[in-house]
Amino acid sequence: EAQVTQNPRYLITVTGKKLTVTCSQNMNHEYMSWYRQDPGLGLRQIYYSMNVEVTDKGDVPEGYKVSRKEKRNFPLILESPSPNQTSLYFCASSLQGNQPQHFGDGTRLSIL
Amino acid sequence: GESVGLHLPTLSVQEGDNSIINCAYSNSASDYFIWYKQESGKGPQFIIDIRSNMDKRQGQRVTVLLNKTVKHLSLQIAATQPGDSAVYFCAEYNTGNQFYFGTGTSLTVIP
Repeated sequence: EAQVTQNPRYLITVTGKKLTVTCSQNMNHEYMSWYRQDPGLGLRQIYYSMNVEVTDKGDVPEGYKVSRKEKRNFPLILESPSPNQTSLYFCASSLQGNQPQHFGDGTRLSIL
Repeated sequence: GESVGLHLPTLSVQEGDNSIINCAYSNSASDYFIWYKQESGKGPQFIIDIRSNMDKRQGQRVTVLLNKTVKHLSLQIAATQPGDSAVYFCAEYNTGNQFYFGTGTSLTVIP
């Protein structure tokens, strides 16, 4: 089954404790992206990747890192999480950038 | 920065009626547009897309209209059903390879 898998689905942690949210897709897609979703603000793009070893900042990249060492994986790293990063996060992938994206089921992060 | 706005945050329609959800975008260089549906507790799901060289595209019960002159996008759902109740987002893809999403319209279908 074609899917985008995110882990964990839920996480409560404390300020400053590094965390990684994993994202994996099994569709051989080139384009992958991370979004955060906050009430009243819709989805905002954090980082995206056009292909392996190619990553670029989206609209709200501050406080986040990503890597794309393999085509299928695109982890989101919060080196020193802060409460303003409490949000619902989605990973998405598409064959290419200007194609429909498949979204994961989301990761709800709470930073205390 | 770019902005993508939806005209109404909520919309209620009677089952069987047609629904129209509107969206305005700001970047005239955007060349690809998508409508997504998001149900509670799930990720957005692709509904229909349109490229800037078209002004209309039809799917099953859905139609997307693109007016580049006024930078306006709309989603029309025919014969709206209870299963159509969800939040709908428009998104634009610009020449910088980035996606910008609207803030969403919550559609409620009244049986």
